[in-house]
Amino acid sequence: NAGVTQTPKFQVLKTGQSMTLQCAQDMNHNSMYWYRQDPGMGLRLIYYSASEGTTDKGEVPNGYNVSRLNKREFSLRLESAAPSQTSVYFCASSVGTEYQETQYFGPGTRLLVL
Amino acid sequence: AQSVAQPEDQVNVAEGNPLTVKCTYSVSGNPYLFWYVQYPNRGLQFLLKYITGDNLVKGSYGFEAEFNKSQTSFHLKKPSALVSDSALYFCAVRDIYGQNFVFGPGTRLSVLP
Repeated sequence: NAGVTQTPKFQVLKTGQSMTLQCAQDMNHNSMYWYRQDPGMGLRLIYYSASEGTTDKGEVPNGYNVSRLNKREFSLRLESAAPSQTSVYFCASSVGTEYQETQYFGPGTRLLVL
Repeated sequence: AQSVAQPEDQVNVAEGNPLTVKCTYSVSGNPYLFWYVQYPNRGLQFLLKYITGDNLVKGSYGFEAEFNKSQTSFHLKKPSALVSDSALYFCAVRDIYGQNFVFGPGTRLSVLP
């Protein structure tokens, strides 16, 4: 099993450009998540999808949209990138959203917005 | 609201010595606590979790963590550190009412040969 995969690994954008970060999992998990990681701030939740067909906002959703394309895939879109969105983005998945569930993370996408 | 504190940005320890990475938490109900490790340019890897039961939880790579309800702490420990343990460590908490994790800011562990 590949686990959680993310593409691309690295991207440079100019302010105002758009892009989509892709995430896929092959563990038959129901729930998927997008986080951003900034120095000294840990990981902050952007959006999550508890199950196929549902999405909800996390702590820092502004400037982002998501699509749960099917059970395997969960994409994150930046419509008009801003320098404040320079970060490392991690996708994660879990069996469900119950409190005891472990989340499994992808390798990350490093995004630089100029 | 849930919150997690990792009071040390950096922990240095000599190889072979015991290590401790500290975590304290705040939740409104029973806590569910997790430790993750991040190696350079990699995603987070699950180490261990406390859900219920024994206060001492054993996890991957020889790590263990002690849950202390009275001190609201969940410190990560290892009896004998390896250079390969050098990484960024994150504590995370969830309560039974919360959908998602709250992560601490991370502690960078350096194990010196």
